[in-house]
Amino acid sequence: KQEVTQIPAALSVPEGENLVLNCSFTDSAIYNLQWFRQDPGKGLTSLLLIQSSQREQTSGRLNASLDKSSGRSTLYIAASQPGDSATYLCAVSGGADGLTFGKGTHLIIQP
Amino acid sequence: EAGVAQSPRYKIIEKRQSVAFWCNPISGHATLYWYQQILGQGPKLLIQFQNNGVVDDSQLPKDRFSAERLKGVDSTLKIQPAKLEDSAVYLCASSRGLGSRGADTQYFGPGTRLTVL
Repeated sequence: KQEVTQIPAALSVPEGENLVLNCSFTDSAIYNLQWFRQDPGKGLTSLLLIQSSQREQTSGRLNASLDKSSGRSTLYIAASQPGDSATYLCAVSGGADGLTFGKGTHLIIQP
Repeated sequence: EAGVAQSPRYKIIEKRQSVAFWCNPISGHATLYWYQQILGQGPKLLIQFQNNGVVDDSQLPKDRFSAERLKGVDSTLKIQPAKLEDSAVYLCASSRGLGSRGADTQYFGPGTRLTVL
């Protein structure tokens, strides 16, 4: 059974810092890995999708990497802003397309 | 392009009562998912539809939960009877269902927050 772990569970940093969120998964037989953002009381917004054949994806200040063989992914956020404050969820897809999620990293960017 | 729509946004019921949630996916999306998100946890897949057929319902508590997707568009998720531990946010998501696994982004609705007293 696939298990996804996210570290740290919570993170608080001053505005402007670069930061890294970590995700690990137990079964390397995945089709893709996605990073989502969740704001309080709202649904999930897809940030980046990395297919199993890819090593990384970039969107603006976000960069996600995937090391499928070791079961790890990182989300790098450059020059953090208060608007980046949210919960970040990592999810993997295997078998059917349903996703297995981690518990998330609750991120606070201090102005 | 309109996003995934869900209703109601909030629902409070007593245990042993019944409740139903509705989802309208993005137009043209063949695949629809229902997830349950308990406070402090990541979402857990309950059921996945491809058009109006069930692809995966292995984590759906079938003694009390049921779901249908008539005509391959809208979907309803029902709980009957509800238990205290069903208190959660129920998220609906849809994707194009490209058939090419790995390339299909899921788009999520705002969710329905259920409180069972």
